[in-house]
Amino acid sequence: DVKVTQSSRYLVKRTGEKVFLECVQDMDHENMFWYRQDPGLGLRLIYFSYDVKMKEKGDIPEGYSVSREKKERFSLILESASTNQTSMYLCAARRMMNTEAFFGQGTRLTVV
Amino acid sequence: GIQVEQSPPDLILQEGANSTLRCNFSDSVNNLQWFHQNPWGQLINLFYIPSGTKQNGRLSATTVATERYSLLYISSSQTTDSGVYFCAGRNQAGTALIFGKGTTLSVSS
Repeated sequence: DVKVTQSSRYLVKRTGEKVFLECVQDMDHENMFWYRQDPGLGLRLIYFSYDVKMKEKGDIPEGYSVSREKKERFSLILESASTNQTSMYLCAARRMMNTEAFFGQGTRLTVV
Repeated sequence: GIQVEQSPPDLILQEGANSTLRCNFSDSVNNLQWFHQNPWGQLINLFYIPSGTKQNGRLSATTVATERYSLLYISSSQTTDSGVYFCAGRNQAGTALIFGKGTTLSVSS
């Protein structure tokens, strides 16, 4: 199985800060994803990358950007953190379209 | 995109009981997966099951793609089975997995 590692398990940031969430996978998978999970709303897709430097907006991209300069790393950037971005963030990787996706351990971000 | 409906939303069981969780899709899906979210929030892969039946120990899953549903069976439940179970799928035109809202399972001893 692929190993997906997120840089932090817990993170506390201040309003207005620029925040970087890092995700690394070890199997040279093409597809990578960022989701956020909120009570009552479930998991929602923020961004999807289907290859290096390639990205697609998901359902809730506002306030976020992403970077994928190398295949193994997919970064989620909060340009100016706000309290409504307090959430659980989950990264996933998948070899290609019709294959199994694997998730990282998640990052609980609190913006104060 | 597709709609994913999971039932029941909550399930309370005594240890040793069996249960069936259901996932309905509004459109035909590929990449159907079942996950268990552990207490620390990580999604653990249970099954990748676009069609057919698979078994892994006390857990098994069946997907009937033509009827747009999947079932997860848990037999002889244990307290460690507690947590939230998600199904997710991708339709033909989509790229990422779309998740249901989950079934929260509580198993007591």
